[in-house]
Formats: sequence, C-alpha cells, structure tokens
Amino acid sequence: QVLLVQSGAEMKKPGASVKVSCKASGYTFTSYYIHWVRQAPGQGLEWMGVFNPSDGNPNYAQKFQGRVTMSSDRSTSTVYMELSSLSSEDTAVYYCARRDYYGSSGFLDYWGQGTLVTVSS
Amino acid sequence: QSVLTQPPSASGTPGQRVTISCSGSSSNIGSNTVNWYQQFPGTAPKLLIYGHDRRPSGVPDRFSGSKSGTSASLAISGLQSEDDADYFCAAWDESLGGVVFGGGTKLTVL
Repeated sequence: QVLLVQSGAEMKKPGASVKVSCKASGYTFTSYYIHWVRQAPGQGLEWMGVFNPSDGNPNYAQKFQGRVTMSSDRSTSTVYMELSSLSSEDTAVYYCARRDYYGSSGFLDYWGQGTLVTVSS
Repeated sequence: QSVLTQPPSASGTPGQRVTISCSGSSSNIGSNTVNWYQQFPGTAPKLLIYGHDRRPSGVPDRFSGSKSGTSASLAISGLQSEDDADYFCAAWDESLGGVVFGGGTKLTVL
C-alpha cells in the first residue's frame, strides 16, 4: 500500500533551519510529484510547493521563495523539505502529500502523518 | 486570508443534509477542478472528493461535490456523528502557480 512516512517532531530556535523528510513506499517513486503543505496551530492549510522526483525540479510558493529547498534521494525514495531563517510564525505541522491526476487536474491522494516543527527561543 | 472562501462553521443533526460552500475566482475554481479534504483533530487531511464530484474508493456516496462557475459545494446527506470534522476545499490557481486552499469549515453534528 502507498505510504508516506515523515520524520519526527523538531524543536528549533529562531533563525535556525529545519529539514523534514518524507519517505515514500508502495509505488514508483519517480512517477508522482510530492507537495508540501503546512498547518499552523488551529489554522488552515497552506501550500508550500511541489517537487518532481523524476527530474528533481521544484516549484515553490512565492511566500517561501528563497527560504525553502526541496530535494530528494532516489536511492531511498525520500523527499526532503528544508526551511531556513525560522521564526515563531513557522511553528506548524508540515505535511508531504502525493499528487495524482484526474484528467488534467491534480489532487493529493496520500498524505504523510505530519511533522510538528516548533520554533521557540 | 485564504484565497478560497469557506464558511468557518456548519452544523446539522443526524440524518440531515448539509452543504459547505467554497468560493473562488476565474484563476482557480473557474479554470480548474476542485478537491475536498476531510480532517479530524490531530490527523492528516484525507482526500474526500476530487475532480469536482468524484469519490476515492472507500468514501461513502453520502458525500458529493459540485461546481458552478467560480464556486463549488460539498454536500453531505444522511449526516452521521462521524462526519464531525474540518473540511477544506482546494484548487490549482493559474495566477499564483500553486495550490490554494479554503480556510476550512468546522462541521458539528449536533
């Protein structure tokens, strides 16, 4: 079965960076894009960007341009999301999700369990 | 401020039919399909509806989606206590070049 397993909770100080991993299994890793979505406490969902494991190309949300880096390790079917210059406003649960297609439109059909990142001095 | 607009809350009693609206613009709902996600506290979102009105395997047919112009709706018929959750709409936005979400609707089954 399709599984996305994320790394554990992180606690970081303001100004630091965090790198969250998302290990995929149960499907051909390079055949599906991986999206990253975050959710601040008590808030809605916020899209951060998408990564193509086939060619390594990312597409970042404008809000995170210059501060986020998505990458992958094809040997372990793992996608990474690194966010730098953290502030308290980055405290959130970070999710990876696989994109599938219906016609020409995509949807997120499988999600990781989420990784809580807490930024506090 | 979310790009897609949803009511913050909705409620109904068991057996009732409730609808949740999602309003967008020509650059998102008006030109792309709408997906709906269900989320329980402390868990990851789950795909509920994709392509406006299609259900993934395992999603009861009590859930249905529709779209008209730049708005979409999620309908839940025969409301059950286990439907008590948060619901989010989403679509690709051509102008922003990314996925946009609604702010979410907290559905309470009374």
